[in-house]
Amino acid sequence: QKEVEQDPGPLSVPEGAIVSLNCTYSNSAFQYFMWYRQYSRKGPELLMYTYSSGNKEDGRFTAQVDKSSKYISLFIRDSQPSDSATYLCAMSANSGYALNFGKGTSLLVTP
Amino acid sequence: GAVVSQHPSWVICKSGTSVKIECRSLDFQATTMFWYRQFPKQSLMLMATSNEGSKATYEQGVEKDKFLINHASLTLSTLTVTSAHPEDSSFYICSAPRPTGNYGYTFGSGTRLTVV
Repeated sequence: QKEVEQDPGPLSVPEGAIVSLNCTYSNSAFQYFMWYRQYSRKGPELLMYTYSSGNKEDGRFTAQVDKSSKYISLFIRDSQPSDSATYLCAMSANSGYALNFGKGTSLLVTP
Repeated sequence: GAVVSQHPSWVICKSGTSVKIECRSLDFQATTMFWYRQFPKQSLMLMATSNEGSKATYEQGVEKDKFLINHASLTLSTLTVTSAHPEDSSFYICSAPRPTGNYGYTFGSGTRLTVV
């Protein structure tokens, strides 16, 4: 079993829809959770960073972490065609340690 | 801030030759650099961790004699793929923890290596 599981999609939604992306993990030591956006084989770009359980909101993006269920989510409100990209979840047990990535979910937002 | 510049962005080389990939931290000192490899439609997989002034730590299954990592200064880490073969064709990305007080990690823009 991989440490981080993420449905690769693809996920296609109409513009304006709410997008829900999620990952599950098996290592209970993970404390730092991140969501990255990656455009066509470019370097990942940090979207959200969360420590331990809870919610975090930044503009149209909301990240949720449920450590008891080992489940994290990213919600995108009012999705735009420019949000079309691959979204990677990543996590680590300690700050500064290498990240464990999900496979990435390919999102397509259609006008 | 906390920018990592990675070069080249893409390279094509002949089988048996060596290729060097550079990652430079432009506005901070990167004592640690992580090197990842990403195959199409796959996750980023950690290859090795380099620390300035010491030997790199390689993940299981990664040949340290094939993937040479040098981290001789606080602003430069390099990955050299020696005697490259077509199966080494992949997307290589470096990453460094952001400086204290910032969150997360900063990534280079990646290098697409094609070995023919």
